Amino acid sequence: KNEVEQSPQNLTAQEGEFITINCSYSVGISALHWLQQHPGGGIVSLFMLSSGKKKHGRLIATINIQEKHSSLHITASHPRDSAVYICAVRSNFGNEKLTFGTGTRLTIIP
Amino acid sequence: IAGITQAPTSQILAAGRRMTLRCTQDMRHNAMYWYRQDLGLGLRLIHYSNTAGTTGKGEVPDGYSVSRANTDDFPLTLASAVPSQTSVYFCASSEGQGAYNSPLHFGNGTRLTVT
Repeated sequence: KNEVEQSPQNLTAQEGEFITINCSYSVGISALHWLQQHPGGGIVSLFMLSSGKKKHGRLIATINIQEKHSSLHITASHPRDSAVYICAVRSNFGNEKLTFGTGTRLTIIP
Repeated sequence: IAGITQAPTSQILAAGRRMTLRCTQDMRHNAMYWYRQDLGLGLRLIHYSNTAGTTGKGEVPDGYSVSRANTDDFPLTLASAVPSQTSVYFCASSEGQGAYNSPLHFGNGTRLTVT
């Protein structure tokens, strides 16, 4: 079992829909990152969080430490949100390793 | 524009050849990282550097070496390329010393094909 599991692997939705992408992990963590990889390949950091909830524009990230689960929500989705969304966790065992999920490919249809 | 610059953007390399992927950042970040991205797998850490003058091995370091002579530059060298090193390579940085307690900034990647 991978340390970081994302679901769904692929998601297609209509413009305007509310999007939820999930990330579950199996180890104790000190931080969780959400990243966005554009179709051209560039990777952008969206959020880094260790508790609670963060919001930036139409994006919301939540984390439940007890359940070892995080969600990324997109409100009023737009075709420009089409990208691969990647979850990554830093273990709290003190090493330098950041473990990445394999990503969720989101396609928003106009 | 502040950020991370990687070069080359793409490269086709014959097996056995030596290759250095360049990475430069102008944000004065302490920590820098090299990842490879392969289909069906998450990003995997090759090597990292918490600060100029120090480097460490990630989870897939074999066949690669790095140096960190100054804050800005973090080149990745393949001493003798093999086909299994065909991948997309990303350089990244973060502000804090010690990994991952601050947001990551990524370069645009280098697509390397070893034939």
